[in-house]
Amino acid sequence: DIQMTQSPSSLSASVGDRVTITCRASQNISTYLNWYQQKPGKAPKVLIYAASILQSGVPSRFTGSGSGTDFTLTISSLQPEDFATYCCHQTYRTPWTFGPGTTVDIK
Amino acid sequence: QVQLQESGPGLVKPSQTLSLTCAASGGSISGDNYFWTWIRQHPGKGLEWIGHIFYSGTAYYNPSLRSRVTLSLDTSKNQFSLILSSVTAADTAVYFCARGLRDHSSNMDIWGQGTTVIVSS
Repeated sequence: DIQMTQSPSSLSASVGDRVTITCRASQNISTYLNWYQQKPGKAPKVLIYAASILQSGVPSRFTGSGSGTDFTLTISSLQPEDFATYCCHQTYRTPWTFGPGTTVDIK
Repeated sequence: QVQLQESGPGLVKPSQTLSLTCAASGGSISGDNYFWTWIRQHPGKGLEWIGHIFYSGTAYYNPSLRSRVTLSLDTSKNQFSLILSSVTAADTAVYFCARGLRDHSSNMDIWGQGTTVIVSS
């Protein structure tokens, strides 16, 4: 199985901060990488697909980059509604696997 | 806009079979542009892909669950289903159904709200 890791596992930030989350795959997955946001008690919501493409309706403050094994999700200016857990997801090979998540909370 | 809604028993006894259904509204599950997925989330944990099924009926399963899981589509009812046999406490989780796009990313753009399943005697 392809293992996905994320760092940090959690972070505290303030509104307006720039936030960067890293995801690493245990092998080359090209750009078969999606990012999801999940709030407590809710289903995940796709933010970025194919590593860098912004899902329709998602604010442009979210950007994704990377290919191969290393990927990044950046929130350029954190907004109150962005406090949530973010996870990466590889679809390069089954079994599809997810990162453990990065929780962004209020400093 | 398609909406998905999971349904099924909230409580299942160990060794029994879990059956969940995901009903689609506002759009059809027929057609080749999408696939239909089940994902679960153990309490306080990350997401686990269970498997997905295409309109053709071809299904892919997580090897960790393959011997116990079956996915199916019922286009006449516009719904798809998950059957998980011989459940144990380790199957206690929130189960989500989702729609996936048959493109490079295979991202899941529409999700049900999730249904909690507890395995306990």
